[in-house]
Amino acid sequence: GAGVSQSPRYKVTKRGQDVTLRCDPISSHATLYWYQQALGQGPEFLTYFNYEAQPDKSGLPSDRFSAERPEGSISTLTIQRTEQRDSAMYRCASSLGLAQETQYFGPGTRLLVL
Amino acid sequence: AQKVTQAQTEISVVEKEDVTLDCVYETRDTTYYLFWYKQPPSGELVFLIRRNSFDEQNEISGRYSWNFQKSTSSFNFTITASQVVDSAVYFCALSGLNYGGATNKLIFGTGTLLAVQP
Repeated sequence: GAGVSQSPRYKVTKRGQDVTLRCDPISSHATLYWYQQALGQGPEFLTYFNYEAQPDKSGLPSDRFSAERPEGSISTLTIQRTEQRDSAMYRCASSLGLAQETQYFGPGTRLLVL
Repeated sequence: AQKVTQAQTEISVVEKEDVTLDCVYETRDTTYYLFWYKQPPSGELVFLIRRNSFDEQNEISGRYSWNFQKSTSSFNFTITASQVVDSAVYFCALSGLNYGGATNKLIFGTGTLLAVQP
């Protein structure tokens, strides 16, 4: 697509439920990033993909968080057994490749865990 | 460790005033990139500029200008003749060059909320 898209835009869930967030990057972009942004803070890195490879998942806060990009395009971020502290904006970004530093962000998914 | 500091939490100006948003960074990389992003009230994160560490020339784009000073590790952003539409949270960010496996993750500051009053 022309820009990065994310769905859903808003998600309200109950504590203990699993949620899956989706990101559709710019079509020519090889690299895809996930960030978590708490209210009043800057985005914080979670993980990234280069095509379908996931070289760095050091930012994932616990093993309840996982991400996939099986065909090197669309990616999903899954949070299992959600907790209230998971409430945040989840942002996806893509870039042309690793050598191209500019990351273009999607609109984000606002997650609220009750 | 890499770090970005935006000491100004909130700035309020009246339309047509000039305003400068400060950004100070820390990195041990010799090659790195600096960015500014805008987050308007609608919530999206909009790319404004990228600057690499070898290019210390100031840049101007319309009412926006950026001053990169390696000697003080600063990358400040000035809006001239501010407008109400400039009201947003502005983030400064830093990333290192990818050295075969190193991540190009962005390290963001905490942002500066700019409120432009009519």
